[in-house]
Amino acid sequence: ETGVTQTPRHLVMGMTNKKSLKCEQHLGHNAMYWYKQSAKKPLELMFVYSLEERVENNSVPSRFSPECPNSSHLFLHLHTLQPEDSALYLCASSPAGAGYEQYFGPGTRLTVT
Amino acid sequence: GIQVEQSPPDLILQEGANSTLRCNFSDSVNNLQWFHQNPWGQLINLFYIPSGTKQNGRLSATTVATERYSLLYISSSQTTDSGVYFCAVDSGGGADGLTFGKGTHLIIQP
Repeated sequence: ETGVTQTPRHLVMGMTNKKSLKCEQHLGHNAMYWYKQSAKKPLELMFVYSLEERVENNSVPSRFSPECPNSSHLFLHLHTLQPEDSALYLCASSPAGAGYEQYFGPGTRLTVT
Repeated sequence: GIQVEQSPPDLILQEGANSTLRCNFSDSVNNLQWFHQNPWGQLINLFYIPSGTKQNGRLSATTVATERYSLLYISSSQTTDSGVYFCAVDSGGGADGLTFGKGTHLIIQP
């Protein structure tokens, strides 16, 4: 599925760095999501944007800051991360509304040193 | 929130065997999806199946919404079927995120 792209695919950053993850969808959807998959936990939802407004923040620490400038783009800004934040970060999109199928990007594998 | 349980957690089969993966969920759902995660982490959509039965080649799925479970069937397994299979559900209204199970790790041996 190439409808959702993510860059970079791999990222290594120190704890004092600031970096951003980018997600772009070409499916005409208007809801976008960030998920986190770490070694010790199942896939978990981080943020939901619907019609460019944040509708859910799943108790994520403030060192993760999302941004959705339009319905096709989603960013995750990272600053002062901890080693335990190392994980695979997945972006998804769907039509806005209840119960639509979500499509995922290939993910960004983040390592915090 | 809604709970999702998948079984078995691990499954090792010989090539050509059939398998059944199960997903139980604790509340009514608007969306249920099955995914296959490849070795590079990509989640590949297998089925969108909040209710009913669907088939796609060697794979099929059934969701019995009234009894809150879904089954994924893989027939004539191939080594390329190896990987982790996830069930995920959405029980809320509006654009809600998915709640994932812990997955079934399937290994198909030649």
